[in-house]
Amino acid sequence: TQLLEQSPQFLSIQEGENLTVYCNSSSVFSSLQWYRQEPGEGPVLLVTVVTGGEVKKLKRLTFQFGDARKDSSLHITAAQPGDTGLYLCAGADYKLSFGAGTTVTVRA
Amino acid sequence: GAVVSQHPSWVICKSGTSVKIECRSLDFQATTMFWYRQFPKQSLMLMATSNEGSKATYEQGVEKDKFLINHASLTLSTLTVTSAHPEDSSFYICSAQGTSGRYEQYFGPGTRLTVT
Repeated sequence: TQLLEQSPQFLSIQEGENLTVYCNSSSVFSSLQWYRQEPGEGPVLLVTVVTGGEVKKLKRLTFQFGDARKDSSLHITAAQPGDTGLYLCAGADYKLSFGAGTTVTVRA
Repeated sequence: GAVVSQHPSWVICKSGTSVKIECRSLDFQATTMFWYRQFPKQSLMLMATSNEGSKATYEQGVEKDKFLINHASLTLSTLTVTSAHPEDSSFYICSAQGTSGRYEQYFGPGTRLTVT
């Protein structure tokens, strides 16, 4: 049973559109992390959120952490083809528990 | 900072042989490293936690005698797939835990193993 559920599983949008990926947890972790992975490569850490209600921005990416620290979202504004990849959320304690991932395709 | 390397990046071996994959943290020391397996279009599956100077902790269902893990130093962990079979073909990724106290992991680029 996966502790973290991500939605949607797949997302295909046109360049310039916005998108949101959701991550919901059945447990509270010490922190929640978002990663992006390109085919044939390892995941790259995008952000770590720790505090309930926290909002972090990374250029066109906005990460929110729910007040109860069980849900999180990743919003990308004006998506570009370079944003294409597999987005993974992970709950962190001693080890990471990954969601199933969201495959994002941004068409030029 | 926080760079992790893996070697080799890809390997093809014959069924029944053993393959060793190295994972190194290049610019930081990692007392804890992790080994994952990933199937196409799926998320990462944790295989084991590797602690420097002690035995690895394997996840349920992972054969410890088949996937040998050694964490010889604070910058090197190795995964040896023994008596490999075609079903062991996969993308293996290691990570090293950072020192921020927030359990952040930094991943290597992965190793594509193909067993023929």
